Amino acid sequence: GAGVSQSPRYKVAKRGQDVALRCDPISGHVSLFWYQQALGQGPEFLTYFQNEAQLDKSGLPSDRFFAERPEGSVSTLKIQRTQQEDSAVYLCASSLLSQGNNQPQHFGDGTRLSIL
Amino acid sequence: GENVEQHPSTLSVQEGDSAVIKCTYSDSASNYFPWYKQELGKGPQLIIDIRSNVGEKKDQRIAVTLNKTAKHFSLHITETQPEDSAVYFCAATGGYQKVTFGTGTKLQVIP
Repeated sequence: GAGVSQSPRYKVAKRGQDVALRCDPISGHVSLFWYQQALGQGPEFLTYFQNEAQLDKSGLPSDRFFAERPEGSVSTLKIQRTQQEDSAVYLCASSLLSQGNNQPQHFGDGTRLSIL
Repeated sequence: GENVEQHPSTLSVQEGDSAVIKCTYSDSASNYFPWYKQELGKGPQLIIDIRSNVGEKKDQRIAVTLNKTAKHFSLHITETQPEDSAVYFCAATGGYQKVTFGTGTKLQVIP
């Protein structure tokens, strides 16, 4: 497929466990974003990568959240010592990089994380 | 930071009627305004976008208008169909593509 792919689609974990969520962006897309979407709300920005460089992580809720994109393609969002308030849909988006001009972001279908 | 307000939160229209969703933003530096449609269990899908140097854009049954002075923009859907039923999000983007979303409008088109 040519779209953004996220896995797993659903993840259930016990409070205190660590989880890892994966994002495969559209081939050739330089920019990659992670968002958190609570039930009934709009997506909220977590972090942004340009290639392998994490340029903004201001939206990460706490130091339990960590994201990486080591080779500038696939990205992983890791949450350590999960808590119930981490339950949400985690969305990944990618876009072409354009010098000084915003480009549309293409979203995956997300990972629904439930913390028991 | 940017703040985007969206209303109404829910909207019911009869099939064939028009639907209008309105948004306001706070950061005058925002220059790109995408609209997304989200169906249950799916990620947001871009349906139309507008840049700050344009006042209006149309794509078949969908149109967006932007008033930079007043910092508000709107989505218009004409001749609504049941498959238009979904949650719609407006968004504002400035700088390096950081997107701030509105709170969403749940549109129901009644056959």
